[in-house]
Amino acid sequence: GAVVSQHPSWVICKSGTSVKIECRSLDFQATTMFWYRQFPKQSLMLMATSNEGSKATYEQGVEKDKFLINHASLTLSTLTVTSAHPEDSSFYICSAQTPGQGWDEQYFGPGTRLTVT
Amino acid sequence: RKEVEQDPGPFNVPEGATVAFNCTYSNSASQSFFWYRQDCRKEPKLLMSVYSSGNEDGRFTAQLNRASQYISLLIRDSKLSDSATYLCVVNGGRGSTLGRLYFGRGTQLTVWP
Repeated sequence: GAVVSQHPSWVICKSGTSVKIECRSLDFQATTMFWYRQFPKQSLMLMATSNEGSKATYEQGVEKDKFLINHASLTLSTLTVTSAHPEDSSFYICSAQTPGQGWDEQYFGPGTRLTVT
Repeated sequence: RKEVEQDPGPFNVPEGATVAFNCTYSNSASQSFFWYRQDCRKEPKLLMSVYSSGNEDGRFTAQLNRASQYISLLIRDSKLSDSATYLCVVNGGRGSTLGRLYFGRGTQLTVWP
């Protein structure tokens, strides 16, 4: 149980285009999903917390108009990187919490590697 | 000051060795503590939660010292498959976003034959 999927697993796009990343909880309902970014040899940095049916809470320094998050259902959250630039190239990982498994144990998706050329 | 700080590593040890990782956290209100394992270019996977009394899972032993705000992970009889980056993770505690976790930068372990 507690499987989280992400799609796509990798994407290459041109500067100025937008990219949508999907995060799904496959065998449980996730009221809260988290979006992280990880640069090479760096720690995971939380970008935003996504709650189903409400607006995402963004961490300081993360532009909410650039990183659009939608958590439309209990099993799906999407992150759209708008007008991507090379500095947005990174490893984007989502996670979801499983109710009843310990309120803050998180299970991670396999990540999406974004390269902006 | 960073929320979670870890040994910089890397650690390079032979098979069968015992290796220990240390971690300190800054928020005394943190309530939950974890060790995650992350393989190269993969997502983190939960290795074990860390309880106040200390806990053991096979070759892995985790300890928590709340007074010193210090967490450790001991790996005995290292296997080649233990090679990975080990992330120390703590929650934000009361008053922070529910479920908010803070990650250390990770300590890289390489076990050689």
